[in-house]
Amino acid sequence: NAGVMQNPRHLVRRRGQEARLRCSPVKGHSHVYWYRQLPEEGLKFMVYLQKENIIDESGMPKERFSAEFPKEGPSILRIQQVVRGDSAAYFCASSRQDRWYGYTFGSGTRLTVV
Amino acid sequence: DAKTTQPPSMDCAEGRAANLPCNHSTISGNEYVYWYRQIHSQGPQYIIHGLKNNETNEMASLIITEDRKSSTLILPHATLRDTAVYYCIVRVAEYGGSQGNLIFGKGTKLSVKP
Repeated sequence: NAGVMQNPRHLVRRRGQEARLRCSPVKGHSHVYWYRQLPEEGLKFMVYLQKENIIDESGMPKERFSAEFPKEGPSILRIQQVVRGDSAAYFCASSRQDRWYGYTFGSGTRLTVV
Repeated sequence: DAKTTQPPSMDCAEGRAANLPCNHSTISGNEYVYWYRQIHSQGPQYIIHGLKNNETNEMASLIITEDRKSSTLILPHATLRDTAVYYCIVRVAEYGGSQGNLIFGKGTKLSVKP
C-alpha cells in the first residue's frame, strides 16, 4: 500500500512566484491535513480538508495561501507571491473516517524561496 | 485541547529502554493521549495512543497514571534508528469537525547513543 505521496520533494521559487504543493492521500483516506514546519521549529497546523470541503482553516495565513481537495485528484496547497518567510517544510497527512487517530504523514515538500 | 509538558531532550543508551515522560495535568475525561515521533527530515509517524489503560503495540508501550495527569512512552530496546523528536499530544476522540487537527508541541528530542 502506498503511503501519503507528496510532490515535489524539493521546490525552489523566486520571490513573487507561485508555489503549488501536491498531496495524494493514502487510498481510501478521505481526510487531508496540511502542516508547516519552519526551520528549527515545531509542526504548525494549517488546514483540514475533506473531499471538496474545507473543514478547518484556522491555521492558514489570511493572504496568499489556499488549499483544496477536489473530488478527483490530489490535494493542493497553493502559495501565491511567495516570500522568503514561506521557506519551510510542508507536510500533508491523511486519515480514514473511522481511524482518524492514525494520521499517516507524507515525507513533506521542502520549499525554498530565493 | 489540554496542553502537555515534555522534557526538551533525553539521552538513552542503545539497547536500553527509553522512558519518555509527558505531563498533561489538565486533561479532560474524553481526551486521549497520543504519541508521534519525527525522525530528522521525515514526516511524523504515529506510535500509539490510549485513554486510561496501558497500551502496547509492536513499537512501544504507553503507561498512563491512574489520575491520567501524566504518561510515559516506553521504547523497550532503543536502537539508533529511534533517535527522533517524540511528541505527546492530548485531544478528544471525536471524529471530524474542528477536532480534526493534531496540535504538536515542541516534543522531546531523544538521542540514542551507541
